[in-house]
Amino acid sequence: GQQLNQSPQSMFIQEGEDVSMNCTSSSIFNTWLWYKQDPGEGPVLLIALYKAGELTSNGRLTAQFGITRKDSFLNISASIPSDVGIYFCAGLGAGSYQLTFGKGTKLSVIP
Amino acid sequence: DTAVSQTPKYLVTQMGNDKSIKCEQNLGHDTMYWYKQDSKKFLKIMFSYNNKELIINETVPNRFSPKSPDKAHLNLHINSLELGDSAVYFCASTPSGRYEQYFGPGTRLTVT
Repeated sequence: GQQLNQSPQSMFIQEGEDVSMNCTSSSIFNTWLWYKQDPGEGPVLLIALYKAGELTSNGRLTAQFGITRKDSFLNISASIPSDVGIYFCAGLGAGSYQLTFGKGTKLSVIP
Repeated sequence: DTAVSQTPKYLVTQMGNDKSIKCEQNLGHDTMYWYKQDSKKFLKIMFSYNNKELIINETVPNRFSPKSPDKAHLNLHINSLELGDSAVYFCASTPSGRYEQYFGPGTRLTVT
């Protein structure tokens, strides 16, 4: 089946720093989604991307649909303590009807 | 104004028991899903279901069965529970023609 490689697996940053994470695939994806999961909660949709090259923001979060359609990036600017959690990318591969999830990036913010 | 809800939040049971987890969505979505999240936080789809089609991940044991009494509900029934079934189970739903999935709060199942 289709697989997504999400990196980094975990990261520790100082409050106020910017964060970047990405997701890559060996095959083409038609849709990219980014989720955040807080401890003890379900994943919450942050940003949805539908077109190659698309750049979409949600507050301090910005995500991009890579032009090759094989990757996506999520940036968080000026991190704050509540940004702590696990960030998942998810993609819908060409010809697929079910999302494939990355293994997540665990973000820790040091005050 | 709960969107996707699950009950119970926590479930502790012994090996060999049969249990059910309930899921309800009030979003009017057409497709619902069940996911299993293991200790490494990997999300693995188990089932997707709409009023026309049940799609089963072939790796899911047949001890697991989804039951949908109506469009807004998709319950998960598990027979003969095993230790390896311990995980967090998430229900999700998607509106017709879209791909964004909206998740419930999860049910943490512990099998002893």
